[in-house]
Amino acid sequence: GQNIDQPTEMTATEGAIVQINCTYQTSGFNGLFWYQQHAGEAPTFLSYNVLDGLEEKGRFSSFLSRSKGYSYLLLKELQMKDSASYLCAVGSGAGSYQLTFGKGTKLSVIP
Amino acid sequence: ETGVTQSPTHLIKTRGQQVTLRCSSQSGHNTVSWYQQALGQGPQFIFQYYREEENGRGNFPPRFSGLQFPNYSSELNVNALELDDSALYLCASSFFYSYEQYFGPGTRLTVT
Repeated sequence: GQNIDQPTEMTATEGAIVQINCTYQTSGFNGLFWYQQHAGEAPTFLSYNVLDGLEEKGRFSSFLSRSKGYSYLLLKELQMKDSASYLCAVGSGAGSYQLTFGKGTKLSVIP
Repeated sequence: ETGVTQSPTHLIKTRGQQVTLRCSSQSGHNTVSWYQQALGQGPQFIFQYYREEENGRGNFPPRFSGLQFPNYSSELNVNALELDDSALYLCASSFFYSYEQYFGPGTRLTVT
């Protein structure tokens, strides 16, 4: 089975940098995903890591260490609109991606 | 190019009843996955359909069943509804070998 842990809540200041950590234990792995979900809305894809290292995409970066079962999402230059839940998910499946999500980290950005 | 759509938006059912939720995948996507998201939790994988066949299932009882049609749209059926089935049901479409899944807005199911 899969076990995914991430902090429940975080608060950060507008303009700052925040790092959201995720640890996982998995019986199958074909990638580590991060999704953003605003309250009452569908999750939207942020990043995908399958190899160790850092992937950068604008203000958002995601890091993966497969040997440690560890990932983080880094958000720079925080904006008020970044207030949302951030979901870490592990993918499994042959040829396709079946996602197991953590409970999500609710990020509040304050002025 | 239209995105993923789901119907209905909201639904209220009584315990013991049956419900059918519908999902139209994004144009060209051949794979549909269904997730259940309880309040304050992350989505839980129910099952995935590819080429009209179930291609993986999460830890859900058989009263959760699905279909995929030749146009890649999909249905989720839940029989003998229980109070704990109250949740947001999300579908996500993708190409089979693609890691990027696009989620629909969800159907909010309330079981009373």
